[in-house]
Amino acid sequence: DTGVSQNPRHKITKRGQNVTFRCDPISEHNRLYWYRQTLGQGPEFLTYFQNEAQLEKSRLLSDRFSAERPKGSFSTLEIQRTEQGDSAMYLCASSLARPGVNTEAFFGQGTRLTVV
Amino acid sequence: AQTVTQSQPEMSVQEAETVTLSCTYDTSESDYYLFWYKQPPSRQMILVIRQEAYKQQNATENRFSVNFQKAAKSFSLKISDSQLGDAAMYFCAYRRRQAGTALIFGKGTTLSVSS
Repeated sequence: DTGVSQNPRHKITKRGQNVTFRCDPISEHNRLYWYRQTLGQGPEFLTYFQNEAQLEKSRLLSDRFSAERPKGSFSTLEIQRTEQGDSAMYLCASSLARPGVNTEAFFGQGTRLTVV
Repeated sequence: AQTVTQSQPEMSVQEAETVTLSCTYDTSESDYYLFWYKQPPSRQMILVIRQEAYKQQNATENRFSVNFQKAAKSFSLKISDSQLGDAAMYFCAYRRRQAGTALIFGKGTTLSVSS
């Protein structure tokens, strides 16, 4: 295991289509985060999981967005009825928190979404 | 709400020289973490350096050091002996002390390094 893995790396979709992205965190990392990064901006927080529980959602996460982390391992982020404004880089990060250990977030390379 | 501001969209430096990237933040919390992340083109974001707010001593990591001014809410990054590989987008970020809380990022500073 060499780090956080995201697939696909690039996705081009037509407006109105649904897309799903996958994130595989570092093994044993119990926390997983999704961020969105648009051109010229820093990443913005979308949502966060501890194990399989989704603990926090940003107001940026409209009801067209849904994220899951079944079994507390990989996570998926689905966008329904995509809009051109959804075009961005979607970043996943993971970290480990347990008594005595609290790592910072490690990021994946991201999935670049282009909605045409 | 917490905010992070990076007022320098672009900076440039020559190899072997020193450059300082600026960052200010706003928070009502007294205990938190501050970070600098590096994002090379088409590559993943990596942590450069971390500062704990309750520590007065400035963090250092090899050629990277910070100037943390808590009262002024300022957190600058100094890169010494700049190398071509330092060219990247640099993000300043804030996180509350509570574990698991999300990072709040600035807009970033693009650093170019010339030989």
